[in-house]
Amino acid sequence: QQQVKQSPQSLIVQKGGISIINCAYENTAFDYFPWYQQFPGKGPALLIAIRPDVSEKKEGRFTISFNKSAKQFSLHIMDSQPGDSATYFCAAMPTGNQFYFGTGTSLTVIP
Amino acid sequence: DAMVIQNPRYQVTQFGKPVTLSCSQTLNHNVMYWYQQKSSQAPKLLFHYYDKDFNNEADTPDNFQSRRPNTSFCFLDIRSPGLGDAAMYLCATSRDFGTGREQYFGPGTRLTVT
Repeated sequence: QQQVKQSPQSLIVQKGGISIINCAYENTAFDYFPWYQQFPGKGPALLIAIRPDVSEKKEGRFTISFNKSAKQFSLHIMDSQPGDSATYFCAAMPTGNQFYFGTGTSLTVIP
Repeated sequence: DAMVIQNPRYQVTQFGKPVTLSCSQTLNHNVMYWYQQKSSQAPKLLFHYYDKDFNNEADTPDNFQSRRPNTSFCFLDIRSPGLGDAAMYLCATSRDFGTGREQYFGPGTRLTVT
């Protein structure tokens, strides 16, 4: 059973546009929600993370929005650039060692 | 810079020939993880160490073993690689399982089985 559902599977955005990737979860024990960015042939890199006591976190052009009641969170990439083209994974963790990845979103930003 | 290092970056082995992948970290983190990632899929956790305490995921094949001789190093041994074991193997670390549970990944080792 997929603990974290991620959509869309792929996304094409024009340069300068907003990229939005969504994730949903069921387990209310999750209390840490990171996003990872992965370029081809590289390991995932931690991009931004949020805990459920806040509804939004922004770092540069990247924003996480978190809706605790709906058990959903999303990544927004403002002013998307071709260099943002990568695969993005959301993840969720309870306290402890379990780490549940979403299925990934392949983002392509067209110049 | 503190980091997670994996060697080699690319490894080719023959069907059934044992292979060892290595990971080292300069972050001084307590936890080290090994993941397997196949093309267009999310990383799949194989096992982890908290200090010397080893935890094997229930569905990790017996063909995969791990060693952590000290805080800095962790090894992944594949005893008899099959064609289905061709994948990217990722090492990750975290400080702990609580407030320091952010995982930091190495660049990966791409394993090819011929």
